Amino acid sequence: KAGVTQTPRYLIKTRGQQVTLSCSPISGHRSVSWYQQTPGQGLQFLFEYFSETQRNKGNFPGRFSGRQFSNSRSEMNVSTLELGDSALYLCASSPTTSGSEAFFGQGTRLTVV
Amino acid sequence: GENVEQHPSTLSVQEGDSAVIKCTYSDSASNYFPWYKQELGKGPQLIIDIRSNVGEKKDQRIAVTLNKTAKHFSLHITETQPEDSAVYFCAASVRGGGADGLTFGKGTHLIIQP
Repeated sequence: KAGVTQTPRYLIKTRGQQVTLSCSPISGHRSVSWYQQTPGQGLQFLFEYFSETQRNKGNFPGRFSGRQFSNSRSEMNVSTLELGDSALYLCASSPTTSGSEAFFGQGTRLTVV
Repeated sequence: GENVEQHPSTLSVQEGDSAVIKCTYSDSASNYFPWYKQELGKGPQLIIDIRSNVGEKKDQRIAVTLNKTAKHFSLHITETQPEDSAVYFCAASVRGGGADGLTFGKGTHLIIQP
């Protein structure tokens, strides 16, 4: 079965703009988590959605938001982009919120100029 | 919150030798410890995980050990091969599984020398 699909793979945006990233989880998976990966900070948890509800949130400013649709697909949005938002954004899916393995997509590489 | 320390940051071993990567965690409530392998241009791939009710788990050439008292866990790769070259991340979670709220180590760049 298909893995976690993230689109687009690459994005270049200008400071102050906003961006929306998309994630399609593995079929049947209802939990979707988002992570930011940078060389300096490593992998950091952004938020997790299950059954269209945000259940957990990391320590990121309110400019970072997300949502999940009834088909479990998820989007994350970053508003008022800053240079420091340049990163690889990774989505991971799992069947439930706990007790199960999680699988990551290939990520969306966001560059803010 | 949870803090995960990972060592070493870079590890170079001869092909066929063993590699060991170590992680420590701070939150005694953590109960799920996955290891991920990330190759260039790809997302992290789960290679093995362990839960707090188990001390050791093996899968072919890969094993993970957990010492809850000392709050550390390690990844062991035996008979290393060129395709093992990648960045490896350990992680910890209090949620028993899934990708929700994982705290990752900074990663170990494993280099397999031919």
